[in-house]
Amino acid sequence: SAVISQKPSRDICQRGTSLTIQCQVDSQVTMMFWYRQQPGQSLTLIATANQGSEATYESGFVIDKFPISRPNLTFSTLTVSNMSPEDSSIYLCSARTGLTDTQYFGPGTRLTVL
Amino acid sequence: GQQLNQSPQSMFIQEGEDVSMNCTSSSIFNTWLWYKQDPGEGPVLLIALYKAGELTSNGRLTAQFGITRKDSFLNISASIPSDVGIYFCAGRYGSGYALNFGKGTSLLVTP
Repeated sequence: SAVISQKPSRDICQRGTSLTIQCQVDSQVTMMFWYRQQPGQSLTLIATANQGSEATYESGFVIDKFPISRPNLTFSTLTVSNMSPEDSSIYLCSARTGLTDTQYFGPGTRLTVL
Repeated sequence: GQQLNQSPQSMFIQEGEDVSMNCTSSSIFNTWLWYKQDPGEGPVLLIALYKAGELTSNGRLTAQFGITRKDSFLNISASIPSDVGIYFCAGRYGSGYALNFGKGTSLLVTP
């Protein structure tokens, strides 16, 4: 398994600002992902964070709005840019180990945009 | 992504009762995963299933990977108050690695 931590755990931000969320895994993992969970909803994949190359975004999500970095095999960041109240969500980082086809999730970052 | 149909949407049961929830897809899945999410937390993996027909238990939880590879179910036996939470099914299909999630089953257990 993998233990995943995220910072910050929550934040309240003003519209028009940006927030960078950090995700740290306790071991090297093959793949890392970022999900969004809007209030009372299921999880939606934002992008796959690729180590050493540009992230792969899902339909409806773009790099200008959600830039992602993954400088090594244990760390990734997601930035939510030019925020609006519609960006208020829980943002979750997950990691897939190479040993099994399983994903583990971090505790999430609860973002409120005013 | 592929839409997963998860049911029921919510359940309200008494402690000690058994619970069953399921997930279906129109596509063939390679992996089925079941997660539980408590308020303010990230999803926690309960059971992972990797091949058709596989039946796996984790304590009072049992899950099966359907023979058609288009469905999975999760059973919880003798429910207790700490089983309260939202249960999500998730699956992977095709050659991609991303997971598709169901909409969740909200479980409430009364003492």
